[in-house]
Amino acid sequence: EAQVTQNPRYLITVTGKKLTVTCSQNMNHEYMSWYRQDPGLGLRQIYYSMNVEVTDKGDVPEGYKVSRKEKRNFPLILESPSPNQTSLYFCATRLAGGTGELFFGEGSRLTVL
Amino acid sequence: AQKVTQAQTEISVVEKEDVTLDCVYETRDTTYYLFWYKQPPSGELVFLIRRNSFDEQNEISGRYSWNFQKSTSSFNFTITASQVVDSAVYFCAHDRGSTLGRLYFGRGTQLTVWP
Repeated sequence: EAQVTQNPRYLITVTGKKLTVTCSQNMNHEYMSWYRQDPGLGLRQIYYSMNVEVTDKGDVPEGYKVSRKEKRNFPLILESPSPNQTSLYFCATRLAGGTGELFFGEGSRLTVL
Repeated sequence: AQKVTQAQTEISVVEKEDVTLDCVYETRDTTYYLFWYKQPPSGELVFLIRRNSFDEQNEISGRYSWNFQKSTSSFNFTITASQVVDSAVYFCAHDRGSTLGRLYFGRGTQLTVWP
């Protein structure tokens, strides 16, 4: 079964405590991406990766890091989380250069106190 | 810059009413793709449809239909005979069709269908 798996699904943390949200896909897709969803703002892209070792900033990259050491994994790192990073995060994948649908993970709800 | 506008923030209807969700996009590209996604209260994002810029035929899938008009840069979504289970946030998205593979989303329309 095609899957995009995110962990954790829910997390409450405190300001400044580094955290990582993992994303793994089993569809052999080259392209992976992170979005955040906030009320009234829709989904905004944080970072994306066209393939292993190739990453680039999206529209709201400040305060985030990513890495792509393996094709299937694309972790999102918050080095020093702040309350304005409280959000619902989605990992997504698709074939590189493709224009088909974006496959989304189930989402990770992060609260930073 | 690519832009997708969903002017309706919230819509409420009563079951069995028809409802149309508007989507207007901005682009300078001749080749592009448009999408609709549904986000039910459970939170996941569900793909509904993809349409390329060269295909202006309307699409119908059960109670769902989509009207794509390049002349007005719109890609509207109609639900016929709405049901409570249609209550969700609906997102329209635009893709330039380049190798970048980025989707730009509108802010979403919250649809509530009352019994």
